[in-house]
Amino acid sequence: EAQVTQNPRYLITVTGKKLTVTCSQNMNHEYMSWYRQDPGLGLRQIYYSMNVEVTDKGDVPEGYKVSRKEKRNFPLILESPSPNQTSLYFCASSLYGPGGTDTQYFGPGTRLTVL
Amino acid sequence: LAKTTQPISMDSYEGQEVNITCSHNNIATNDYITWYQQFPSQGPRFIIQGYKTKVTNEVASLFIPADRKSSTLSLPRVSLSDTAVYYCLVASNTNAGKSTFGDGTTLTVKP
Repeated sequence: EAQVTQNPRYLITVTGKKLTVTCSQNMNHEYMSWYRQDPGLGLRQIYYSMNVEVTDKGDVPEGYKVSRKEKRNFPLILESPSPNQTSLYFCASSLYGPGGTDTQYFGPGTRLTVL
Repeated sequence: LAKTTQPISMDSYEGQEVNITCSHNNIATNDYITWYQQFPSQGPRFIIQGYKTKVTNEVASLFIPADRKSSTLSLPRVSLSDTAVYYCLVASNTNAGKSTFGDGTTLTVKP
């Protein structure tokens, strides 16, 4: 089944404790992206990757890192989480990019709470 | 990137047709318009996509006027299960990978 998977789905952590949220897709997509969603703020893009070894900042990259060593995986890294990073996170992938005739496929989301 | 503007919320009743309009005044030549649906605590999912005129699939229609500065998602005969947030995304693959979703429209369908 074609899908985007994220792990963990739920995470409660404390300020400053490094964490990684994994994202994996099995559709051989070039493009992957991370979004965060907060009440009343829609989806805001954190980072994206056009292909392996190529990543770039979205609208809200502060406090996050990413890497794209393999086509299928795009982990989101929070080196020193803070309470303002408490949010619902979504990973997405598409064949070549976010628009045009492409469609983004979203993962199920990771609900992160930073105490 | 084209900025999009949608109504924050809409209410409807079961069986009615619902039209949600998205404004995107600075749409670029290469931009396509894609609509996504999101249920609570789930990732958005694709509904429909178009470039100009009218597109119809099994769940919705998309109307795009000639100037392409707006688009209207039409949901025929909505049911309670259509209660969700609807986002329009205007983007191309020539602007690198930036993807800016608007705030979305929360549609509530009442019995």
